[in-house]
Amino acid sequence: QSALTQPASVSGSPGQSITISCTGTSSDAGGYKFVSWYQQHPGEAPKLMIYDVSNRPSGVSNRFSGSKSGNTASLNISGLQAEDAADYYCSSYTGSTTPVVFGGGTKLTVL
Amino acid sequence: QVQLVQSAPEVKKPGASVKVSCKASGYTLTTNYIYWLRQAPGQGLEWMGRINPNNGATDYAQKFQGRVTLTRDTSINTAYMELSSLRSDDTALFYCARGSYRGIMDVWGKGTTVTVSS
Repeated sequence: QSALTQPASVSGSPGQSITISCTGTSSDAGGYKFVSWYQQHPGEAPKLMIYDVSNRPSGVSNRFSGSKSGNTASLNISGLQAEDAADYYCSSYTGSTTPVVFGGGTKLTVL
Repeated sequence: QVQLVQSAPEVKKPGASVKVSCKASGYTLTTNYIYWLRQAPGQGLEWMGRINPNNGATDYAQKFQGRVTLTRDTSINTAYMELSSLRSDDTALFYCARGSYRGIMDVWGKGTTVTVSS
């Protein structure tokens, strides 16, 4: 059982927008502004897409955005494209002896 | 460019140990943490531990405490993860990633497959 809770799957059609949620507690996602999102295509290593809740690394499309409300962080992808189909993982800093926790991952299907 | 190059796949018998390397290039190892994660077949990412290459300080996930050892050799810009008492359910892809103190992992290795089988 993962520390952060994500839906197992989400889907959307090309051009649509989707949101993936990531729910934790006040000890992790709710207590810190240090939530990250990673994209992983089959057979590839994860790629950082969002850090510090809403910041995009250089080179990541502005179709990807992040936000947080309470204990739940969210990843929004607008203008869905076929290449967005992947697994997405959230993670959060915890400030404890287990400094990082992950969600179980969400499989995004582009219909 | 900045990259982490991991060692080749390993096949081990139950009870054995495995040591995976992660060589940093394009930057100096001591400037960032190195995180280690495990991904079992068809499963999600699982944090195992991290090392501060600057001073060798480590943090380990409770699940792996006592079985995992993280080290580094700054002279060759390389970090290592050793997992002992291997079991069949340790069969997985092991990743190293460059990260910040607060867990932002911005550069990932391609992963090293470890297969545990008798």
